[in-house]
Amino acid sequence: GAVVSQHPSRVICKSGTSVKIECRSLDFQATTMFWYRQFPKQSLMLMATSNEGSKATYEQGVEKDKFLINHASLTLSTLTVTSAHPEDSSFYICSANRPDSGGAGDTQYFGPGTRLTVL
Amino acid sequence: QKEVEQNSGPLSVPEGAIASLNCTYSDRGSQSFFWYRQYSGKSPELIMFIYSNGDKEDGRFTAQLNKASQYVSLLIRDSQPSDSATYLCAVLSGGSYIPTFGRGTSLIVHP
Repeated sequence: GAVVSQHPSRVICKSGTSVKIECRSLDFQATTMFWYRQFPKQSLMLMATSNEGSKATYEQGVEKDKFLINHASLTLSTLTVTSAHPEDSSFYICSANRPDSGGAGDTQYFGPGTRLTVL
Repeated sequence: QKEVEQNSGPLSVPEGAIASLNCTYSDRGSQSFFWYRQYSGKSPELIMFIYSNGDKEDGRFTAQLNKASQYVSLLIRDSQPSDSATYLCAVLSGGSYIPTFGRGTSLIVHP
């Protein structure tokens, strides 16, 4: 399968600081990447869709000024959590669309996730 | 509103049995269907996809698609305790690149 990496895997920060998370597609070019958040024992929540070279599309209720997304190249998207607070502590997962995967159209591959803890 | 429904479970099966996971979807224009496995504390991992009616087999896994009835299933043969996880169904509509995910079914395989 396709490989998507995410860095860092785990981060602990103080309240009020900003945290940047990188998502890379290692063996394919991804025009579209996605950012999800998942709280313990809850389902995936799509935060935003990131298209290379254009502004991200945020889901309802997600603050675009707090969660800055940049998709600068076909293999890299970044999520910056600005002025993080304890309620932002969560598991953040990126995914990337690999086009035309064996006839299924776009297939989404997930990164390993970043566990953010805000003290 | 495109909806993808899964029974949250947990579905409990004994080791060696067949686990059957079901998913229904509302959009008749859906064309591609994906099954992901997510272990606790980990990110989802693609198991397989299907886009034609019928069965598709990959090792111990079989995906079954019935577009007329708008459901897709995942069968896991010879279930192992290591199969215990949450299984997510995702559906992609024609012309779209954003899949809709179900909330997942928790599977427990007990020895």
